Amino acid sequence: AQTVTQSQPEMSVQEAETVTLSCTYDTSESDYYLFWYKQPPSRQMILVIRQEAYKQQNATENRFSVNFQKAAKSFSLKISDSQLGDAAMYFCAYTDSNYQLIWGAGTKLIIKP
Amino acid sequence: NAGVTQTPKFQVLKTGQSMTLQCAQDMNHNSMYWYRQDPGMGLRLIYYSASEGTTDKGEVPNGYNVSRLNKREFSLRLESAAPSQTSVYFCASRGGGGANVLTFGAGSRLTVL
Repeated sequence: AQTVTQSQPEMSVQEAETVTLSCTYDTSESDYYLFWYKQPPSRQMILVIRQEAYKQQNATENRFSVNFQKAAKSFSLKISDSQLGDAAMYFCAYTDSNYQLIWGAGTKLIIKP
Repeated sequence: NAGVTQTPKFQVLKTGQSMTLQCAQDMNHNSMYWYRQDPGMGLRLIYYSASEGTTDKGEVPNGYNVSRLNKREFSLRLESAAPSQTSVYFCASRGGGGANVLTFGAGSRLTVL
């Protein structure tokens, strides 16, 4: 069965610095999608970035980028120039052709002013 | 505004009471989902509906029932609430095109005493 592991329950970073959140997953599929979702205190789940497994190029959305290592089954999120508004829970998620999302337990990101 | 609307946002129940969480989306999405989120855990799928008229069990369906009333609406019912069902519930929908991106509602916090 597919699993998603986020090994960092909590991370903190100084405002304006860079932080990397880790995610590993386990699957026997070759075609799948990976996501990072952000959940601020408002509880709303917001898509941050997504990566198609067949694409070798790492996805980038403004200050957010991923390091996708397919062979290692690793999908880390890098946040550059951290801002106070980035403080949230971050969830890594996986889906394949079944379209059922498998979620990690989340990483709480704290931004220090 | 286009999106997923959940009601109610908060609810307190006594053990054994019943209630229905309502969810509606106006994005013409085919697939809809109900998740629960518990502290320290990722989201877990309760039920999903791949299209109007179909529903399927997810990872944790026991104690719940669902109805896909039409393409827009997907309700979750607790027939006899138990304290173990205290959680935050999220409805989500997914459009086609293979992107597998979910759009979430704002969540419903349910407490069962």
